[in-house]
Order: sequence, then structure tokens, then C-alpha cells
Amino acid sequence: DGGITQSPKYLFRKEGQNVTLSCEQNLNHDAMYWYRQDPGQGLRLIYYSQIVNDFQKGDIAEGYSVSREKKESFPLTVTSAQKNPTAFYLCASTAGLNTEAFFGQGTRLTVV
Amino acid sequence: QKEVEQNSGPLSVPEGAIASLNCTYSDRVSQSFFWYRQYSGKSPELIMSIYSNGDKEDGRFTAQLNKASQYVSLLIRDSQPSDSATYLCASTGSARQLTFGSGTQLTVLP
Repeated sequence: DGGITQSPKYLFRKEGQNVTLSCEQNLNHDAMYWYRQDPGQGLRLIYYSQIVNDFQKGDIAEGYSVSREKKESFPLTVTSAQKNPTAFYLCASTAGLNTEAFFGQGTRLTVV
Repeated sequence: QKEVEQNSGPLSVPEGAIASLNCTYSDRVSQSFFWYRQYSGKSPELIMSIYSNGDKEDGRFTAQLNKASQYVSLLIRDSQPSDSATYLCASTGSARQLTFGSGTQLTVLP
């Protein structure tokens, strides 16, 4: 079945540690997105990529990094520079600019 | 000013009533608009997409788009307790990115 797979579902990070969230899609979509969601809040855009080897910062990119070496994959690294990383992270993809987004199941990151 | 704004809610309606959710956007170039439903702890799922002025109906859901006034709305007829969720409005604009509003939490009371 086609879809987006995020892993892990739950992740715990120690202070000062970098962690990488995985996002893989087999929908053959060109565009991929990373959003952060805090409790009771909407989705805020971290990074997005419209094509392989190219990506743009969203509204809250500080403390995060991404890569897009393959069309299917768009991993997000939460660096130690992100001081408040505890949140629900959602990866999405779209076939084109004006098409619907499909979401992964999300990764819940907690700092311990 | 946020690019996509929603009436913040929370919104409560009795079972069987019509729930009305509203969204405004600031980017006049925006061409596509989406309503997503998100249950607590889950990822958003698409309810409706709308691209041209007017109404679009799908079962109990009707999306309305007015590009001149830059608003899009979602009506849920015959609301059910299972409709209780957060509803997110989203649009794509000149920045070529998919932007979401902050969401409206809807509770349908039995």
C-alpha cells in the first residue's frame, strides 16, 4: 500500500543530543514537508522540499536540519540548538503544488 | 499577520446541529484550500479540498470559498459526536508551501 512512514513513533532525547526523525514515502510525490505541532496548537512549518537536493526553510527552521538526497526520503534532524524540541512532528507529502497533503502517523519527541 | 487564520474556538454544538468553521487567508495568490480533521494524538486527514469560488458538497460536509473576501468555510450538517475533533484549514500560496491555520476544536454534545 502506498503511504508515508514515519519512525520512530516515540522518541526520547537527552539534553544536548541530536536526533533524527525518519520520513519515507512510496507515493512518488515530489514535495515533502515537516511540521511541528505543540499541544492545542496548529501545524507550524519547519522545512519543505519541492524537489530532490533542494529544500527551503519554513517558519521555525532554527535548530533543525534536513536533507533530500532521494525522492522517497526526507529525514529531519533535531539538533542540540533547538532548546524546546518536545512536540509532535508530522511529515507530509504532496504530488504537486495545489494538491492535497498526505501525512505520516507522526513522531512524538520528548526531552528527558 | 498570520497567512491563514481560523476562528479559534473551541466550538460546541448539540448533536444534529450545523457546525460552522471559518478561515481567512492573507495571500491573494492562494489557489488551493483544504480542510483537515485531526483527532487527538493522530495525524490530520483530509476532509475537503476546494479550488474555485462557490460551494462544494460531500455528504454532510460543505466547503465554501470566496476569493474576493479571502475566506473559506466548512459546514458540517447533522453533526455527530464522532465529528468532535480539531479542524485545520490549509492553503498554498505564493511561497509554494502548504500553510495551516491554528485549528478550531469542535465538540459535538450528545
